[in-house]
Amino acid sequence: AQTVTQSQPEMSVQEAETVTLSCTYDTSENNYYLFWYKQPPSRQMILVIRQEAYKQQNATENRFSVNFQKAAKSFSLKISDSQLGDTAMYFCAFMNIPGTASKLTFGTGTRLQVTL
Amino acid sequence: ETGVTQTPRHLVMGMTNKKSLKCEQHLGHNAMYWYKQSAKKPLELMFVYSLEERVENNSVPSRFSPECPNSSHLFLHLHTLQPEDSALYLCASSQGGGGRGTQYFGPGTRLTVL
Repeated sequence: AQTVTQSQPEMSVQEAETVTLSCTYDTSENNYYLFWYKQPPSRQMILVIRQEAYKQQNATENRFSVNFQKAAKSFSLKISDSQLGDTAMYFCAFMNIPGTASKLTFGTGTRLQVTL
Repeated sequence: ETGVTQTPRHLVMGMTNKKSLKCEQHLGHNAMYWYKQSAKKPLELMFVYSLEERVENNSVPSRFSPECPNSSHLFLHLHTLQPEDSALYLCASSQGGGGRGTQYFGPGTRLTVL
């Protein structure tokens, strides 16, 4: 069974600074997807970024980028130029290559607080 | 935030009540999911429906009963719940699997069982 570990329950960063959230996972699969989701307080969970395991190039999405280390089974999220609106719970998730439906395994989340 | 909608957003019920949660997706997806989100625990996948057939039931107690009448709608029927069932219930949808399998979530129903 796959597991996802987020070892930082809470983090804080000042506005305009850069922060990195860590995530490790355990799987025996070779092909899979990794995701970061963001859940702002009392708001909807939204997709931040997605990485395909067969791609060596790290995914980027505006101020969000990942450092994907397949051999180390590590998938960290870097947020550059942090903004107050980035305050949220961040969940790392793993998905194996599915058949007709995808199955996500989530970590316990990291609560990020962006301060002035 | 209108791709996946859930109603009601908040629900308080007694242990003897029967209620239903509703999820609707407007994304043309063919797979839908129910998750339970409790404090300090990872999201727990409860049920998966693909092409309106249940393909996953993760040992969920029978007091939770899902229904998927078509690819756009998903229900979770609740009866004789326990206080430990209080949680945020999230619905998600995706377009099948593989590279299209990214899941999109609804806002959730905050359930409190008294």
